[in-house]
Amino acid sequence: QVTLRESGPALVKPTETLTLTCTFSGFSLSTSGMCVSWIRQPPGKALEWLARFDWDDDKYYNTSLKTRLTISKDTSKNQVVLTMTNMDPVDTATYYCARILSVSSWGRGGMDVWGQGTTVTVSS
Amino acid sequence: DIQMTQSPSTLSASVGDRVTITCRASQSISIWLAWYQQKPGKAPKLLIYKASSLESGVPSRFSGSGSGTEFTLTISSLQPDDFATYYCQQYNTYLYTFGQGTKLEIK
Repeated sequence: QVTLRESGPALVKPTETLTLTCTFSGFSLSTSGMCVSWIRQPPGKALEWLARFDWDDDKYYNTSLKTRLTISKDTSKNQVVLTMTNMDPVDTATYYCARILSVSSWGRGGMDVWGQGTTVTVSS
Repeated sequence: DIQMTQSPSTLSASVGDRVTITCRASQSISIWLAWYQQKPGKAPKLLIYKASSLESGVPSRFSGSGSGTEFTLTISSLQPDDFATYYCQQYNTYLYTFGQGTKLEIK
């Protein structure tokens, strides 16, 4: 069974750096075609894709946020970590991680399994 | 970046109705489109990938179609569990983008 779970602080102050961890099980990020993405959703608003980490260590970032984002993996712990610098109240959102089976290896795409999300509030 | 526009933003319908939600891309995305269902306080759930492929375990009343820049999600006969918000998402490029969502409400 594939599962993902997000963890991190519930509250951060403006200008601080946010670090979120996605811990997953049921698959290996070393397997060809496996990817993990981060997505966020401000209260009452739409989903916004943030970043993606691929099995071959390729990384991709939202164009508007790329200067603030870093995505990395810890293979031994089955974790993908997202850091976002210079947090602002507009970054208040629920942050999700999700698995992707890539088009190139699996012929499909789509975020097929999601974590339950972690809510982050940015406030002084 | 590719922009995704959904219509309508809100849709009121009754149990048993057939409903269609449209998603338009600002440039061609071939068939690389997914549809998700989200209920309040829950994570999104994948319904459709590659524009028309039904995700495992998703009821067959859900279907997707389209290619290029115009796509549709159809629910053939609405069930009480289907009242939720629906999002499209393109993955033609590595810079993924979502539509703004369509809220399906009970009439």
